[in-house]
Amino acid sequence: AQSVTQLGSHVSVSEGALVLLRCNYSSSVPPYLFWYVQYPNQGLQLLLKYTSAATLVKGINGFEAEFKKSETSFHLTKPSAHMSDAAEYFCAVIPTGANNLFFGTGTRLTVIP
Amino acid sequence: DTGVSQDPRHKITKRGQNVTFRCDPISEHNRLYWYRQTLGQGPEFLTYFQNEAQLEKSRLLSDRFSAERPKGSFSTLEIQRTEQGDSAMYLCASSLEGLELGQQYFGPGTRLTVT
Repeated sequence: AQSVTQLGSHVSVSEGALVLLRCNYSSSVPPYLFWYVQYPNQGLQLLLKYTSAATLVKGINGFEAEFKKSETSFHLTKPSAHMSDAAEYFCAVIPTGANNLFFGTGTRLTVIP
Repeated sequence: DTGVSQDPRHKITKRGQNVTFRCDPISEHNRLYWYRQTLGQGPEFLTYFQNEAQLEKSRLLSDRFSAERPKGSFSTLEIQRTEQGDSAMYLCASSLEGLELGQQYFGPGTRLTVT
């Protein structure tokens, strides 16, 4: 079954430091990949998506992710963390031939002042 | 258009009671999805509709759960004889087939607590 694995359920960074959230997918065929963010008591908001057009994908709020087929990875990065980035982040995939999203277990990002 | 809306936002019920949630998708979206999210987990797919047809159901959707989308617009999710294990956030999402390569827009969710 195609799925995603998020390494690290909790990540803490200092304000202004690099943010790196890890996601690996399992698929023999590159699927559609997504990063969503969830703020407390809110729904999921799309940060960015990979749809095979470009391997480096830029999203909202300064986030970007790079699709690496050789590593089956789609890690999320942001050069400088802001307090407002504190949230839960989910990597998700729509496998080839499927219609619904399969989510990872999420990574809670804490930003330390 | 204000996005996907869900009602109620919170529901507390006693075990054994029936509950019904409503989702209003983005108006031009023909696909509607239901997901369930438990504490510390990512959302899990329950079911999806294309227009009024329910095209796929997850094994998570036991026979106590039923979803409808009678006119291809809003959808309802009913849980009969609720159990404590049903306590979760129920998320609704919508999308437009063939547009934005599968991007789904999520509502704020309905948080169900079964006591």
